[in-house]
Amino acid sequence: QSVLAQPPSVSGAPGQRVTISCTGSSSNIGAGYDVYWYQQFPGTAPKLLIYDTGNRPSAVPDRFSGSKSGTSASLAITGLQVEDEADYYCQSYDSSLSAVLFGGGTKLTVV
Amino acid sequence: EVQLLESGGGLVQPGGSLRLSCAASGFTFSSYAMNWVRQAPGKGLEWVSAISGSGISTYYADSVKGRFTISRDNSKNTLYLQMNSLRAEDTAVYYCAKGRNPARFMDWLDPWGQGTLVTVTS
Repeated sequence: QSVLAQPPSVSGAPGQRVTISCTGSSSNIGAGYDVYWYQQFPGTAPKLLIYDTGNRPSAVPDRFSGSKSGTSASLAITGLQVEDEADYYCQSYDSSLSAVLFGGGTKLTVV
Repeated sequence: EVQLLESGGGLVQPGGSLRLSCAASGFTFSSYAMNWVRQAPGKGLEWVSAISGSGISTYYADSVKGRFTISRDNSKNTLYLQMNSLRAEDTAVYYCAKGRNPARFMDWLDPWGQGTLVTVTS
């Protein structure tokens, strides 16, 4: 069980909007540590999608956005495309564990 | 272009040792913290270890503390992970990843190398 909890899977139809949650606690997200999101396709390395909770690297489409509230963070994907089908991971830091944490990952299916 | 290339993975028996390397290019290596992250087959990402740009400060996940040692040679632009007392549960693809700046290892990881597979089995 990951300290940062993500739903194992989410799905949506092309063009729809989906959100992926990342629930932490007062020693990580709730303590003010930034959240990062990564996208990973099968057999490839993860790629940074969102940094500092809500910022996108220049190459990432603006269909992807991140936010945070309290002890949770969310990744939103609008205008779903088939090529968005991938695994998504959140990352933060935990001061109690003195460790970088990843969520368990969420598999996005575009049906 | 920033590039990270891991090597050194392979098959090892339980209790054995292995040293992974990560050759970096395209940036001033000593100016960035570096991390190792692993992914067991079919599982999620697990942070393993980090090292500051100078190499003075090191950090470990509890699961590897006392068994793994992270180091770097800034003259060779290379990151290392010495893995001792390996267990079956250490079986994973090991990625190296570049940090945000020399000190803040807990921020974003970008980019990542392609990974090297370590299999611990008898």
